Formats: sequence, structure tokens, C-alpha cells
Amino acid sequence: SQQGEEDPQALSIQEGENATMNCSYKTSINNLQWYRQNSGRGLVHLILIRSNEREKHSGRLRVTLDTSKKSSSLLITASRAADTASYFCATGSNTGNQFYFGTGTSLTVIP
Amino acid sequence: EAQVTQNPRYLITVTGKKLTVTCSQNMNHEYMSWYRQDPGLGLRQIYYSMNVEVTDKGDVPEGYKVSRKEKRNFPLILESPSPNQTSLYFCASASGAGYEQYFGPGTRLTVT
Repeated sequence: SQQGEEDPQALSIQEGENATMNCSYKTSINNLQWYRQNSGRGLVHLILIRSNEREKHSGRLRVTLDTSKKSSSLLITASRAADTASYFCATGSNTGNQFYFGTGTSLTVIP
Repeated sequence: EAQVTQNPRYLITVTGKKLTVTCSQNMNHEYMSWYRQDPGLGLRQIYYSMNVEVTDKGDVPEGYKVSRKEKRNFPLILESPSPNQTSLYFCASASGAGYEQYFGPGTRLTVT
């Protein structure tokens, strides 16, 4: 399977702290995307980074991509209770047609 | 409002009884895809479609069929459901392959 893996599987932090989660994948990619899922609901797209990019920002989110190590990280700064959710990385195949999701990081932000 | 809709949202059925889960998007997206989500396994891609009449297998296509006769619709068909197809199913669409995907609310299927 070409599925990625997120690390850690679960993360619990206090409101205001930063949260970092990592994603490792196995094959060459076209792009990497991060999604958020609130319990049992549909996924919401957060940020997309292409294979020729190294870092991207969007509001309180910062994503890095290291294609040599086949890994990415998502940093959420100044976390809020509303950030409590599961976070998934998804890699797009070289052709961009297929997507492989990781197993997710469950983030709990304690008020 | 831009959205992806799925029906039904919940379905309990018995082994072998053919069923269809519908998916529709109103964003004129070319790319559509189906995923299943199982505990501990994340989301796995079942089938995807690059455009009308163009479909291809994802990671776990066995036991499923799809069709793309119109741009907005991408139904998932289980010809003979089995208990191992009990899962949470998501449909998604994107303006093209390699772009951000918009997900539907999910269909929780139980096969007894």
C-alpha cells in the first residue's frame, strides 16, 4: 500500500499552544494536501503544497514538505478548542490522479 | 451554495442486495472520487473519474462499480454487498486532478 502515516496518532494540548503533526509517505508525489475532519463528518481541505514547494502558510497553518525524506509537517499555531479534530495528509500520485490518505492524527485542544 | 451531496446518509442492508449511493456536485468539477473510511485505516480511494465517461480504479475497487454519464453525478454501485463493505463512504470532487477536493457529508453503510 502507498498509504501515508501521520505521527503522532493522538495529540492533546492546551489552548494557545502550538500543535505539530507529521506525515510520511512512500512514493514520489505530485502534491500533498492536509485535511481536517470533525467527528464522523466530511473532510475539509486546509492547504495544498506542490512537490516543488518547500513551505506554505495559510492563516495559523504552516506546512513544510521535504521530498528527499518523503515527509511533511503541519503546524497549527495558537491553537483553539475549535481546532479539535482529526487531521489527515493526502498525497497525490505523480500523475495527480490517485490520492493516498494517511491514518490521521487526532488532535484535542483543551480550553 | 457550492456543495457535494450524497444519498442516502445512512443505509442498513443485507448481504447480496444491490444498492446505489448517489453523489452529486454543483461546482462543474471534472474530477470526482469515492473513498471508504475504516477505523485505523484512514481513507482509501475506491474509484475516481477524470471526466464524463472516464473512470479508473483506486486502491480498493473490488466489489464496487461506478459510472460517470453526467459531469455532476458519480454514483457508487455495490452489486452484491458483503459485510466487509460495512464502512463510511465519502464522495469528493475537484476542479481537476491534483487540486483541492471538496467532500460530501458521508454515507454510513452497514451490511448484515
